[in-house]
Amino acid sequence: DQQVKQNSPSLSVQEGRISILNCDYTNSMFDYFLWYKKYPAEGPTFLISISSIKDKNEDGRFTVFLNKSAKHLSLHIVPSQPGDSAVYFCAARRYNFNKFYFGSGTKLNVKP
Amino acid sequence: SAVISQKPSRDICQRGTSLTIQCQVDSQVTMMFWYRQQPGQSLTLIATANQGSEATYESGFVIDKFPISRPNLTFSTLTVSNMSPEDSSIYLCSVEDALNYEQYFGPGTRLTVT
Repeated sequence: DQQVKQNSPSLSVQEGRISILNCDYTNSMFDYFLWYKKYPAEGPTFLISISSIKDKNEDGRFTVFLNKSAKHLSLHIVPSQPGDSAVYFCAARRYNFNKFYFGSGTKLNVKP
Repeated sequence: SAVISQKPSRDICQRGTSLTIQCQVDSQVTMMFWYRQQPGQSLTLIATANQGSEATYESGFVIDKFPISRPNLTFSTLTVSNMSPEDSSIYLCSVEDALNYEQYFGPGTRLTVT
């Protein structure tokens, strides 16, 4: 049972434009959400997170939005750069539980 | 964040053999995690390893197939036993930053079973 879903396996964006990556979850008990970026032959690296008490968290070019009623979160990258080309995973957890649930990833390609 | 290394980075193994993957962390951590990422799939948690106790396995994973050791607070191993082509995956270890509720990952071990 996939509790975290990323329905777009790939996304192509022109350099300088906005990239929007989407993630849906089914478990209303999740209260912490994270985005990871993964380059080929490397492990996932933490990018940005958001607590369920917030609806937005911003870090430089990266902003994560959380819509709890829709059980949906999105990652916005503005402006997109070719170095952002990677696979992006969203993940969810409950604060008192160590287990992370990951989506299947979205491969972002930022074209120069 | 913790710096995590894994050995080997990749291997090609024959069916029926076993491979032990090592994970080393540059700081002491309570919990270490082992994940599998099959081609085109999400990261799936295999087990959680605490130092000094038996690993806790997720549904679908058993100790006989994936024995784990955790001899100290900076090191763990995962063995993939009696391998079949279905075990071809990237295997990742991670550690948790308890203060930030984040996990940090090693570079992964790419295993191909022929």
